[in-house]
Amino acid sequence: AQTVTQSQPEMSVQEAETVTLSCTYDTSESNYYLFWYKQPPSRQMILVIRQEAYKQQNATENRFSVNFQKAAKSFSLKISDSQLGDTAMYFCAFTVTSGTYKYIFGTGTRLKVLA
Amino acid sequence: EPEVTQTPSHQVTQMGQEVILRCVPISNHLYFYWYRQILGQKVEFLVSFYNNEISEKSEIFDDQFSVERPDGSNFTLKIRSTKLEDSAMYFCASSEAGIKGETQYFGPGTRLLVL
Repeated sequence: AQTVTQSQPEMSVQEAETVTLSCTYDTSESNYYLFWYKQPPSRQMILVIRQEAYKQQNATENRFSVNFQKAAKSFSLKISDSQLGDTAMYFCAFTVTSGTYKYIFGTGTRLKVLA
Repeated sequence: EPEVTQTPSHQVTQMGQEVILRCVPISNHLYFYWYRQILGQKVEFLVSFYNNEISEKSEIFDDQFSVERPDGSNFTLKIRSTKLEDSAMYFCASSEAGIKGETQYFGPGTRLLVL
């Protein structure tokens, strides 16, 4: 079965500090894409970062970076210099490249950035 | 920046009633999706839709559910006879070309409460 696990339901971080959100997944496929989405309160989910499984290099997007460990099936998100606007629910997801368009999501991590 | 929009943001209905959840995908996107998230659980795929046909559906998407693109802009999810367990947040998403692994763009969701 294909699954995503986010083991931290809630986290908090002080403004300007760094926080890491964890995500593990399970699939028998070798080719897939991984995503982190951010959902601010009452707003839509927006893509934070995307990683192609066949790429060794970890994706980065400004203050957001991932630590992708394919063998361990781990895909954590690091937020550097946290800002109040980073307060949101963060969802980890993946999709395989064969046979389906669906995303498999985790339950999310609610992150609160404290002033 | 173009966004997926959904209406209503909240809907309360009585068990057994029909509800229609509406979505306006991004205008040049060709693939559309519905997902749902029961409180405290994972975001789950329901259905994907392309060229006025369902291209993929999950086991959740049974006969009480249907989707439609009634005009050039709207994409709807109908639940024919709601059950208590249909209470959830429903997310609409769209993607540009249906390429495996491409980014799906999500709306803010409709929170459905069945009493």
